[in-house]
Amino acid sequence: AQTVTQSQPEMSVQEAETVTLSCTYDTSESDYYLFWYKQPPSRQMILVIRQEAYKQQNATENRFSVNFQKAAKSFSLKISDSQLGDAAMYFCAYRSASGAQKLVFGQGTRLTINP
Amino acid sequence: DAGVIQSPRHEVTEMGQEVTLRCKPISGHNSLFWYRQTMMRGLELLIYFNNNVPIDDSGMPEDRFSAKMPNASFSTLKIQPSEPRDSAVYFCASSFRRRTYEQYFGPGTRLTVT
Repeated sequence: AQTVTQSQPEMSVQEAETVTLSCTYDTSESDYYLFWYKQPPSRQMILVIRQEAYKQQNATENRFSVNFQKAAKSFSLKISDSQLGDAAMYFCAYRSASGAQKLVFGQGTRLTINP
Repeated sequence: DAGVIQSPRHEVTEMGQEVTLRCKPISGHNSLFWYRQTMMRGLELLIYFNNNVPIDDSGMPEDRFSAKMPNASFSTLKIQPSEPRDSAVYFCASSFRRRTYEQYFGPGTRLTVT
């Protein structure tokens, strides 16, 4: 079974600075998808960014980018120019490209933005 | 375009009572997922449907839990009888199976069983 691990329960960053959230996963599959979801205090789960395992190029969405290291099974999220609205729980998630469609989530990292 | 709709947003009930959570997926989506979020276990899948058919219910904790999807625009998750350990946030999510892989989440239902 696949597992996802987020080793940083909490992180904090100064507004306008850059922060990186870590995620590692374990799988025997070669084709899969990885995601970062944001959960603000409203508890709504918001998709931040996705990465297809077959793509070598790291995904980027505005201030959010990932560092995908397939061999190391690592998938970190970098947030540039942090804003107060980025404060939330961030979850890393894995989904098989074949078979089970379910998302397997990490335990989450709580990100605090200091003004 | 309306997102995934869940009702109620909050539910408080007494142990032993029946609880029904409802979900309306995004129009055109053909996969629907029920997740549960607790402090102890995090986010975990309970069950998912493709084209209204249950595909994987291995996450349903026990027989007290049941889920149905009578049509493409409605699903229910029922707990009977409810217990305090069922207290959690229950999310419904939907996706368009043939295309990509994003799952869009509803706002969740916070269930408290006293």
